[in-house]
Amino acid sequence: EDKVVQSPLSLVVHEGDTVTLNCSYEVTNFRSLLWYKQEKKAPTFLFMLTSSGIEKKSGRLSSILDKKELFSILNITATQTGDSAIYLCAVEDSNDYKLSFGAGTTVTVRA
Amino acid sequence: GAVVSQHPSRVICKSGTSVKIECRSLDFQATTMFWYRQFPKKSLMLMATSNEGSKATYEQGVEKDKFLINHASLTLSTLTVTSAHPEDSSFYICSALTGSGYGYTFGSGTRLTVV
Repeated sequence: EDKVVQSPLSLVVHEGDTVTLNCSYEVTNFRSLLWYKQEKKAPTFLFMLTSSGIEKKSGRLSSILDKKELFSILNITATQTGDSAIYLCAVEDSNDYKLSFGAGTTVTVRA
Repeated sequence: GAVVSQHPSRVICKSGTSVKIECRSLDFQATTMFWYRQFPKKSLMLMATSNEGSKATYEQGVEKDKFLINHASLTLSTLTVTSAHPEDSSFYICSALTGSGYGYTFGSGTRLTVV
């Protein structure tokens, strides 16, 4: 059974801080790892990672994948209150395209 | 980008009644849709995989007679919660594989409350 573990489960920071979120996984048939941001409704896509060592960036967010050690990190720099959300990590199975989600990390950014 | 429209966004129903949730892919064809359930402050749990023109594949522990899934066209999948009970109250979300490099697109979710 595919397994995705995120840490920490929650954290509180102040505006301007940098946060690093971790995601480790065990999956039989790895196709990709995805990061999502979830506020009040459905998750919104952040990154899809398929190759090791290649950092993906979008504004203040960046992410990288290590396929040897089976983990990924999501960094958010210069955090803003609008970054407060649950960040979900998911791995995609190459056989059936199913996503297995981690429990999520709840990030709270205080002004 | 790819958009999945999910309706209703919120529904309250009485115990014993059935509720239908629709997910439509607006600007692409979704041969495969996934249905998830999410409890408060918990992650998404995959319930079933819906394939156009064939029977849905349910995850272990999900009652297929209770959660009826129909994927009759390339743009529409429906989830019907039959004979709903309070324990079925949850947030239900669909997603579609877009094939566009963005992975999956999620619907906006349906908050079901059974009273």
